[in-house]
Amino acid sequence: KNEVEQSPQNLTAQEGEFITINCSYSVGISALHWLQQHPGGGIVSLFMLSSGKKKHGRLIATINIQEKHSSLHITASHPRDSAVYICAVRNFGNEKLTFGTGTRLTIIP
Amino acid sequence: DAGVTQSPTHLIKTRGQQVTLRCSPISGHKSVSWYQQVLGQGPQFIFQYYEKEERGRGNFPDRFSARQFPNYSSELNVNALLLGDSALYLCASSLKILTVSYNEQFFGPGTRLTVL
Repeated sequence: KNEVEQSPQNLTAQEGEFITINCSYSVGISALHWLQQHPGGGIVSLFMLSSGKKKHGRLIATINIQEKHSSLHITASHPRDSAVYICAVRNFGNEKLTFGTGTRLTIIP
Repeated sequence: DAGVTQSPTHLIKTRGQQVTLRCSPISGHKSVSWYQQVLGQGPQFIFQYYEKEERGRGNFPDRFSARQFPNYSSELNVNALLLGDSALYLCASSLKILTVSYNEQFFGPGTRLTVL
């Protein structure tokens, strides 16, 4: 079993829909990252969380430390949101990131 | 201020050759981490360097090595290349390493290595 599991692996939605991507992890962590990767490879950090909830524009990220679960939400989705969204956790005591395999999101106009 | 930069952007090598990838962190960042991302998978941790010392190593063979220079830039070297080394190699920098707290990592655009 991978330390970091994401669901779904692929998600296709219509423009405007509310999107939820889930991440579960099995180890103790000091922080959880949500990252966005576009075709070509560049990775952009969206959020870094250790508790609670963060919001940036149409993006919302939540984390439940007790349940070892995090969600990334996108409101009013747009085709430019199409990308791979990756959850990564930071182990205690170092900066090693362990990544999920990503969720490929496609928003159809 | 420039973000994390990596060079080259693309590279084609043949099996058995050696390759050196370069990374320049964001100005002021002292920690550099390297990741390998094989097509269709999430990135895998290779190395972390802080203040020119190796602070973490992932499950990669000794063919992989790295170093960090006094200006905090870093090189990743891979010897005796195999077909399976074809991947996107990502570099990430962060401000500093803390044992209790955490620092956001900023990623470079990556170097896409193809081994033929």
